[in-house]
Amino acid sequence: EIVLTQSPGTLSLSPGERATLSCRASQSVSGSNLAWYQQKPGQASRLLIYGASSRATGIPDRFSGSGSGTDFTLTISRLEPEDFAVYYCQQFGSSPWTFGQGTKVEIK
Amino acid sequence: QVQLVQSGSELKKPGASVKVSCKASGYTFTSHAMNWVRQAPGQGLEWLGLINTNTGNPTYAQGFTGRFVFSLDTSVSTAYLQISSLKTEDTAVYYCARFDGALPALDYWGQGTLVSVSS
Repeated sequence: EIVLTQSPGTLSLSPGERATLSCRASQSVSGSNLAWYQQKPGQASRLLIYGASSRATGIPDRFSGSGSGTDFTLTISRLEPEDFAVYYCQQFGSSPWTFGQGTKVEIK
Repeated sequence: QVQLVQSGSELKKPGASVKVSCKASGYTFTSHAMNWVRQAPGQGLEWLGLINTNTGNPTYAQGFTGRFVFSLDTSVSTAYLQISSLKTEDTAVYYCARFDGALPALDYWGQGTLVSVSS
């Protein structure tokens, strides 16, 4: 199975700063079939990015995704207060559709 | 609007069974596979598998065969996750999530159901 490793585990930043989250796969993710999700306590998870770089419906353009093969990045250009949350990547290149272990973006 | 509404929290003893429901609305239920994901306390997300809502054919991730069963009642647009012979390590929040094959991604998620297993 494809193992996804997210880094860093925790990112401490201030509102307005840029956040860069990494998701590295143990083998190439076919078709760049990688998605990013945001999870907040007590809320349903939200799809942010699919196909490595396409924003889901209603997602602000401060969120962007990039990468291919084994290296993927989620960038939040300027953090808003509501962006402090945990972020997960998930690959759909091969079954099982594994998740990374998550990156927590916390307020510094 | 698309909604996935899950059943409420459950407290079970080891060896018992539990059935979690996920009622979908706002779209054609049989057009999208339903996935199940779990999150143990303080841990990340783990994909359990999916069920094809058109054929009823399930796909289970390794390690989730046997005690975990996905099922459907298409007449009420509801997917179910049944876990038998519960163990304390099954304690987790279980989520259903709709799969959009055109993306591909899990585009809508339920709010989660906490299953606690304790003697």
